[in-house]
Amino acid sequence: AQKVTQAQTEISVVEKEDVTLDCVYETRDTTYYLFWYKQPPSGELVFLIRRNSFDEQNEISGRYSWNFQKSTSSFNFTITASQVVDSAVYFCALKTEAAGNKLTFGGGTRVLVKP
Amino acid sequence: KAGVTQTPRYLIKTRGQQVTLSCSPISGHRSVSWYQQTPGQGLQFLFEYFSETQRNKGNFPGRFSGRQFSNSRSEMNVSTLELGDSALYLCASSPVAGAWSEQFFGPGTRLTVL
Repeated sequence: AQKVTQAQTEISVVEKEDVTLDCVYETRDTTYYLFWYKQPPSGELVFLIRRNSFDEQNEISGRYSWNFQKSTSSFNFTITASQVVDSAVYFCALKTEAAGNKLTFGGGTRVLVKP
Repeated sequence: KAGVTQTPRYLIKTRGQQVTLSCSPISGHRSVSWYQQTPGQGLQFLFEYFSETQRNKGNFPGRFSGRQFSNSRSEMNVSTLELGDSALYLCASSPVAGAWSEQFFGPGTRLTVL
């Protein structure tokens, strides 16, 4: 069975501060895929990034960056210079080869960026 | 290209009734998955359909069912509604059914059971 844990339930920052969201996953599969989704107040889940278990290269995309470490089963996400529009709930999710297209989600972290 | 669409967006039902929710995937996408989101249980996988066949099913009672049509549109049905079925139901589509495939979500249907 797989599991995703997001220990932080809510983070509040002031605009322009950096914010890092933690994600820890559990799976016995050797081939798996990790995702981050953003859910703004409108409710729709917006895909942000996907990483596979063989690619530990960290990535920066604009103000977003991701840190994938297999040794600690973590896939953390950082927003640099946060903006009010970044306020949303962020979900980390996992898919394994064995489970196919089924996403296992963490509990989500609510990010509130204050002006 | 149009995104995933779900109808209706909001629904109010009473206990014991049944409900049918509809999802139209992105054009060309053949896999449709359904998820239930509640404050208590979070996001939980219901089932996935690919080429009109159910490929995977989550841990939900038999009152929850679904189907997929030849044009990849999908419906999910919940019979004998319970208060606990109140939730946001999200549909996601992907081009194929593999674990590597990105899934794109619709805006959801918010179901309230009174």
